[in-house]
Amino acid sequence: ELKVEQNPLFLSMQEGKNYTIYCNYSTTSDRLYWYRQDPGKSLESLFVLLSNGAVKQEGRLMASLDTKARLSTLHITAAVHDLSATYFCAARNGGSNYKLTFGKGTLLTVNP
Amino acid sequence: DGGITQSPKYLFRKEGQNVTLSCEQNLNHDAMYWYRQDPGQGLRLIYYSQIVNDFQKGDIAEGYSVSREKKESFPLTVTSAQKNPTAFYLCASSGQTSEGDNEQFFGPGTRLTVL
Repeated sequence: ELKVEQNPLFLSMQEGKNYTIYCNYSTTSDRLYWYRQDPGKSLESLFVLLSNGAVKQEGRLMASLDTKARLSTLHITAAVHDLSATYFCAARNGGSNYKLTFGKGTLLTVNP
Repeated sequence: DGGITQSPKYLFRKEGQNVTLSCEQNLNHDAMYWYRQDPGQGLRLIYYSQIVNDFQKGDIAEGYSVSREKKESFPLTVTSAQKNPTAFYLCASSGQTSEGDNEQFFGPGTRLTVL
């Protein structure tokens, strides 16, 4: 059974600082997804990582995937208040084209 | 304007009532999903459907039922057998892309409260 663990679950940062959110998964998975959720809202897709060594960047966020270590990271550079949200990673279950298993999410608060 | 719609946005249920949450998509996606989110928690899969007239139980299907009579629609019924239905319900859909990523796109959600 695929399990996905994120850490930290809570992250309070100052504006301008850098930090990394980690996403570990327990069994083979060939697709890793990152989503953002604002309070009371739905999930917005950020990144889809399709292969080992994949790296994608959008603004101050950069995501990477290491399938051998079963680890994905979401790196935040020079944080700004607008990045405050909950970030989820999800891994695709091996052998299934459709099912995803989600981590519990990381609540990020960026303080002035 | 392609997307996923869910209705209602807020729903109140009395004890012992069945309620149905609507989910419609016009993205021409084959697969659709229902998730439940509790405060401070991740998403848990209730049911999913890979094709019309077919669906499978997810991790927490007890007390829920679904149908998939049309490609565009995947309604979820929360039955009286679901003992703790108060939660945020999210519908998603996915389709095959040229990269084969089956990325899931989410609707705006329905917040269900039991009175």
